[in-house]
Amino acid sequence: AQKVTQAQTEISVVEKEDVTLDCVYETRDTTYYLFWYKQPPSGELVFLIRRNSFDEQNEISGRYSWNFQKSTSSFNFTITASQVVDSAVYFCALSEANDYKLSFGAGTTVTVRA
Amino acid sequence: DAGVIQSPRHEVTEMGQEVTLRCKPISGHNSLFWYRQTMMRGLELLIYFNNNVPIDDSGMPEDRFSAKMPNASFSTLKIQPSEPRDSAVYFCASSFVGSEAFFGQGTRLTVV
Repeated sequence: AQKVTQAQTEISVVEKEDVTLDCVYETRDTTYYLFWYKQPPSGELVFLIRRNSFDEQNEISGRYSWNFQKSTSSFNFTITASQVVDSAVYFCALSEANDYKLSFGAGTTVTVRA
Repeated sequence: DAGVIQSPRHEVTEMGQEVTLRCKPISGHNSLFWYRQTMMRGLELLIYFNNNVPIDDSGMPEDRFSAKMPNASFSTLKIQPSEPRDSAVYFCASSFVGSEAFFGQGTRLTVV
């Protein structure tokens, strides 16, 4: 069963628009970790953020922000004032404390047009 | 640290040949992952190791695939014999258990 669902396959925005990427996860563990990764057109996978299940505080890093809500099993990612360089595939991932296997969602392709 | 190092970056081989992909994890990391990425199936976890021991190889497609981690600083993924459907980008990643994984640049494999 898929543990991480990224329902949005592709999102296209114009530069300076905000874009929110949805991530819904499924787990029975009480201790788990959530991640976001970026894969630009060059192909490498770049780590963006890690949250553990006991820390529901939202986080902001520059133009990036993350909203973690255990009540809805969601860990959404917002890019504020998007730029062309934000064009990439973004992956949400889950790791459970019982085995630490890192499982990825299908990814959301973000295209930012100038 | 140079990060996770994979070799080769690109590999083109003929169907039926043996292919070996190599990975050097970040020094000190105790978990290592092998992923395969294709357009159709996305990022698939093939196998992962903790402290050099394979923990879960349920993602390995079939017996043609094998992976080893003889020590903490080296892992291989072998495909024998290779088939065109094995064409993909293969990523290696390493981490401390439960922490964020750092990925190598990937090996783009083409089997013709």
